[in-house]
Amino acid sequence: AQKITQTQPGMFVQEKEAVTLDCTYDTSDQSYGLFWYKQPSSGEMIFLIYQGSYDEQNATEGRYSLNFQKARKSANLVISASQLGDSAMYFCAMSSGNTPLVFGKGTRLSVIA
Amino acid sequence: ETGVTQTPRHLVMGMTNKKSLKCEQHLGHNAMYWYKQSAKKPLELMFVYNFKEQTENNSVPSRFSPECPNSSHLFLHLHTLQPEDSALYLCASSQEAPPLAGGRYERYFGPGTRLTVT
Repeated sequence: AQKITQTQPGMFVQEKEAVTLDCTYDTSDQSYGLFWYKQPSSGEMIFLIYQGSYDEQNATEGRYSLNFQKARKSANLVISASQLGDSAMYFCAMSSGNTPLVFGKGTRLSVIA
Repeated sequence: ETGVTQTPRHLVMGMTNKKSLKCEQHLGHNAMYWYKQSAKKPLELMFVYNFKEQTENNSVPSRFSPECPNSSHLFLHLHTLQPEDSALYLCASSQEAPPLAGGRYERYFGPGTRLTVT
C-alpha cells in the first residue's frame, strides 16, 4: 500500500531564509507522481509542485523546488527566500497506479519576521 | 467565477438535521472528489466521480450520500450525522480520475466547508 510520511509536525524559518520540508514515501509501483500542496488558514489546498518518478530533473516552480531522491524514496520540498505569506500547512502526496492521491499528515510552517 | 467553489463555507447542524454541501468547478474537469479533513489526521478521500459516475467509495458511512448531476457539480447530502463527523470537507476536481500511473492529475481544491455537528 502507498504511504506518505512527513516527520516534521512543525517548522520555523526566518524570513528570507530557505527551508526544507521532509517527505518520504513508500510504494512498490515503478511509475508514480509526487505532489506538494499548501493549505493556508483559509482552508483551501493549493497545488505547488509535481515530480514524476521518471523525471530526471528535479522539479522547480518559482521559489519551490523538489529534492527528489528516488533511491531513498524521498521528495523534500525546498522553499527559498521564505516570505511571511508562506506560513501554512504543507502536505506531501503521491499517486500511483489506479490508487487515489494519498496524503501525508502535513507540516506546519511558520515564517518569522 | 473560476476554480472550485464550495457552499456553505461554515455549517452547524444537529444530529437529526439534513443538510447538503455543494461544490462547483469552473475548470472543465471531468473528475470530482470529496475529502474529509479532521484535526491531526491525513486528508481522507471519501468519494470519486469520473465523468459523472462514482468510481470510488472509500468505506464511507451511509449517512453521507454524494450526488453528481453533471461534471461541474457535486453534492454531499448529510443526515443523522455524529459529532465525530465534524471536520473540514474539501471538494476537488481534476482532468480525469483515476490518474494514469504516475500521471500529473493534480487536484484543484475548493476552500472547504467547516462542518460542526452538535
